This record gives sequence, structure tokens and C-alpha cells, in this order.
Amino acid sequence: AQSVAQPEDQVNVAEGNPLTVKCTYSVSGNPYLFWYVQYPNRGLQFLLKYITGDNLVKGSYGFEAEFNKSQTSFHLKKPSALVSDSALYFCAVRARIYGQNFVFGPGTRLSVLP
Amino acid sequence: GAVVSQHPSRVICKSGTSVKIECRSLDFQATTMFWYRQFPKKSLMLMATSNEGSKATYEQGVEKDKFLINHASLTLSTLTVTSAHPEDSSFYICSASPRGSYNEQFFGPGTRLTVL
Repeated sequence: AQSVAQPEDQVNVAEGNPLTVKCTYSVSGNPYLFWYVQYPNRGLQFLLKYITGDNLVKGSYGFEAEFNKSQTSFHLKKPSALVSDSALYFCAVRARIYGQNFVFGPGTRLSVLP
Repeated sequence: GAVVSQHPSRVICKSGTSVKIECRSLDFQATTMFWYRQFPKKSLMLMATSNEGSKATYEQGVEKDKFLINHASLTLSTLTVTSAHPEDSSFYICSASPRGSYNEQFFGPGTRLTVL
């Protein structure tokens, strides 16, 4: 069975500092991995994905994530946080098997303090 | 590109009534659409997967007679909450996968349902 863990409910970081939002996963075989962001009362916005190739994936708004197969992790990072980055972040995984759906992590609330 | 809309964005209804939520892919054809439910400060719970022209596949524990899903065209899926009750109040989000691209999911803005 597929599963996603985001070990931190809340991450607080000062504006201008680097941020990391952690994600680990469990899936059979190689995964497809995704990060989404959600602002209050909004749907999810796609940030980035790992499908194949370079383990370091660059996405929207200066975010990036690194696929680490040995640690089964896909942590989201940004070198310099902005107050506007404050939102709810979801990691998702999908197995490379036809018919498998996306599984979302529980979400991590990021607060960037001015 | 890849825009998904939902209508309405917010609905308040009385207990016992039915509510229909529409999900449209505006600039692509979506062979598969997904319906999620999100409780406050919680993750998304997949309710069902709908494929154009066929019956929806419901996740375990989701009542198919209560949450009717229709995917009549490649750009439209509807979720009807029948005989709504206060416990059905939630944020409902749809997403759509373009034809031939099961790895992509584009999300709608969500619909806030409040049942009085």
C-alpha cells in the first residue's frame, strides 16, 4: 500500500531564511512524487514533481525538492522564505502501476514570520 | 493552460436537500476526474474516481448512493450530495487528469458546502 508521511504539522521560519518541509513515502517500486500548496479556501496548486531523471527537481516560486531513493524522501526546500509562502503544503505519491491513485500526506502548515 | 473550475465555490443548503457541484476542465480533455473531500486542517480524502462514460469507482467507506458522480463528457464531472446532512459539510475539491497523462492532476478551487 502507498503512504505518505509529513512528520511536521507545522513549520515556522523567519523571512529570508531557508525552509524545508519534510516528506517520506512508502510505495511499491519507483514512485511519482509531487508537492502541492494550498492557500485558505482554495484548491491545490501544483509546485513540482519527480517523474524520472535528475533527483533535484526545481519547481514554481523558487521551490525545489530532492528525491532520495535510499531514504524514501522527497523534502521540499527553498533557499529564502517569503511571508507569502505561508500556506499548507501537501506531498503526494503515486505508484508506477496502472490504476493507482494519488495518495496525499497529511499536510504541513508553513508559517513564515516577518 | 490546464485550468479546472468548480461551481459553485460556496453553497449553503438546508438539511435534506440535494446539492450539485460541477467540475470542468476548461482547456483540456479529462478522461479521469477525481473527487476529494477535505476536513478542516486535514488532508484530502479521495472519494471517487470518475472516468468519462463509465461508472465512478468509489473508495471504501464512501456511499455511492449519497454521493452521486456523473462524468458525462470529457470536460465535465458532477458530484451530487443527496439528502445532505450537517455532517456532509466540508470542502469538496475535484481534480482532472488530461487524456493520456495519468501523472498529472490539476485541481479545482474547491467548493465549500455548509448544510444547516
